[in-house]
Amino acid sequence: GAVVSQHPSWVICKSGTSVKIECRSLDFQATTMFWYRQFPKQSLMLMATSNEGSKATYEQGVEKDKFLINHASLTLSTLTVTSAHPEDSSFYICSASRSGRIHEQYFGPGTRLTVT
Amino acid sequence: QQQVKQSPQSLIVQKGGISIINCAYENTAFDYFPWYQQFPGKGPALLIAIRPDVSEKKEGRFTISFNKSAKQFSLHIMDSQPGDSATYFCAASKAIQGGSEKLVFGKGTKLTVNP
Repeated sequence: GAVVSQHPSWVICKSGTSVKIECRSLDFQATTMFWYRQFPKQSLMLMATSNEGSKATYEQGVEKDKFLINHASLTLSTLTVTSAHPEDSSFYICSASRSGRIHEQYFGPGTRLTVT
Repeated sequence: QQQVKQSPQSLIVQKGGISIINCAYENTAFDYFPWYQQFPGKGPALLIAIRPDVSEKKEGRFTISFNKSAKQFSLHIMDSQPGDSATYFCAASKAIQGGSEKLVFGKGTKLTVNP
């Protein structure tokens, strides 16, 4: 149990375009979802936390208008990178926690974004 | 106070040996300490976790030792195998407003187990 999927697994886009990444909890209801960014050989950096039906809470330094997060249901959250630039190229990972076991975060497989 | 300091940055162990990774924290509000294993190009996977009211937790070949007074915790991998070669992250979390949790990660340890 506690499987989280992400789609797409990798995406290449041109500078100036927008890209949407989906995160789904497959076998549980995710009351909270998190979005992380990870640069090569570095740790995970939390970008934002979202609760279903509420606005996301962004970490300091993360541009809200650039990284749009929607947590529309208990099984789906989306991250949209708007007007992408090469410096947005990174590995984006979502995680989810479920009601009653909020300490445990289950991570998706990640999405590799390359902006050309 | 939000940091979790992890060491070593990299570790090479022979097959069958014991791998030990250490972490230290400052914030006494942390109440949950998980370890994650990450293979290249994959998301982290929860390996084992401990709460501060327990000094040790063992699951198979993986053991967490927790020292509350020293604010340190460590991961021991017994009988290390080449398949254990991965990057390991310690983390700490505390409850935040709204009932959700926020994980603070260490910088990671790249473990290589030689055959």
